[in-house]
Amino acid sequence: QKEVEQNSGPLSVPEGAIASLNCTYSDRGSQSFFWYRQYSGKSPELIMSIYSNGDKEDGRFTAQLNKASQYVSLLIRDSQPSDSATYLCAVNQAAGNKLTFGGGTRVLVKP
Amino acid sequence: ETGVTQTPRHLVMGMTNKKSLKCEQHLGHNAMYWYKQSAKKPLELMFVYNFKEQTENNSVPSRFSPECPNSSHLFLHLHTLQPEDSALYLCASSQDRFADTQYFGPGTRLTVL
Repeated sequence: QKEVEQNSGPLSVPEGAIASLNCTYSDRGSQSFFWYRQYSGKSPELIMSIYSNGDKEDGRFTAQLNKASQYVSLLIRDSQPSDSATYLCAVNQAAGNKLTFGGGTRVLVKP
Repeated sequence: ETGVTQTPRHLVMGMTNKKSLKCEQHLGHNAMYWYKQSAKKPLELMFVYNFKEQTENNSVPSRFSPECPNSSHLFLHLHTLQPEDSALYLCASSQDRFADTQYFGPGTRLTVL
């Protein structure tokens, strides 16, 4: 079983729509969760972090965490073509205090 | 310069060559990391340094040799690599190894012929 799982996509959304990305993790003791955006050929860029159950909003991005179900999600509202990228979910595992990344979900926003 | 920088940005080397990748962070952080990103695979943690001391080696082959002379600089020395080592090598830093938020450099795209 992969430690952090994401659907590889591509997730195709029309411009202006909501993109919904999901991530599940196996380490129940994990406490910190992150979403990184990575454009093709570029390095990952941190866009959201979340530590408590519930929603956290930052601009057009909303992260949602449910520790009981071991999933974290990212919503991108009013999607723009510039949001087209691969979104990486990262989980700080309780054991060893290290970030484990999922394989990423590729998002394509079509004008 | 600000943030995390890496040089070179692109590197092509033969299997018998010896080369080094350099990472420098200007954020005042004390932890630095090397990651490998291969096509269609998740980011793989290779090494962690905290206050210049190596705290993690994630079963990396000995043909990769890290060096951390101070908290701002991190090197990855490469020798007798294999074609399957071709990947994007990313450096990251954080306040210390217990800090969650990591900031990435632009990466070095390595091709081994």
